[in-house]
Amino acid sequence: AQSVTQLGSHVSVSEGALVLLRCNYSSSVPPYLFWYVQYPNQGLQLLLKYTSAATLVKGINGFEAEFKKSETSFHLTKPSAHMSDAAEYFCAVSDHRDDKIIFGKGTRLHILP
Amino acid sequence: EPEVTQTPSHQVTQMGQEVILRCVPISNHLYFYWYRQILGQKVEFLVSFYNNEISEKSEIFDDQFSVERPDGSNFTLKIRSTKLEDSAMYFCASSVTSGNEQFFGPGTRLTVL
Repeated sequence: AQSVTQLGSHVSVSEGALVLLRCNYSSSVPPYLFWYVQYPNQGLQLLLKYTSAATLVKGINGFEAEFKKSETSFHLTKPSAHMSDAAEYFCAVSDHRDDKIIFGKGTRLHILP
Repeated sequence: EPEVTQTPSHQVTQMGQEVILRCVPISNHLYFYWYRQILGQKVEFLVSFYNNEISEKSEIFDDQFSVERPDGSNFTLKIRSTKLEDSAMYFCASSVTSGNEQFFGPGTRLTVL
């Protein structure tokens, strides 16, 4: 069975500082991995995805994530936080053999001025 | 840019009543999904739908739930007799093919009183 663990339900960083949101996954088959962002009162927007190509994946809004098989991790980073990055971020995994996406519990990112 | 739309944005109903949540997937997409997010919890897969039949469903998707594609554009989720614990945000998603990126709608917040 697949699962995702996101460390930290809330993360606060200062504007301009590095953003690091942690995600570890469990999967019995090579996974597809995703990061989604949810702004208040909006749906889920795909930030980036890993589908077994390059291990460093670049997404929208300056975010990137690195797939590390040895650590079963897929942490999300952004070099310099912006106030508009304040949102909830979900790490997710899927088995490409079926359709469902398994989500983590989410991490709410707060940006301090 | 094409997007998934959902109506209504907020539905309030009495326990035991039937509700139908509506979704209009992206027009050339063939795979459709429902997820839900109970307040403060993670997003959970409910059901996937392809070629006018359910591809996969979770344990949550019991006999009280049903899905339908009544015409060429709408995709609906029906809850036959709502319970208090059905209160959640329900997200519709669609994708071009299985295993591809799923595009999420903005969600319908269902409140069962």
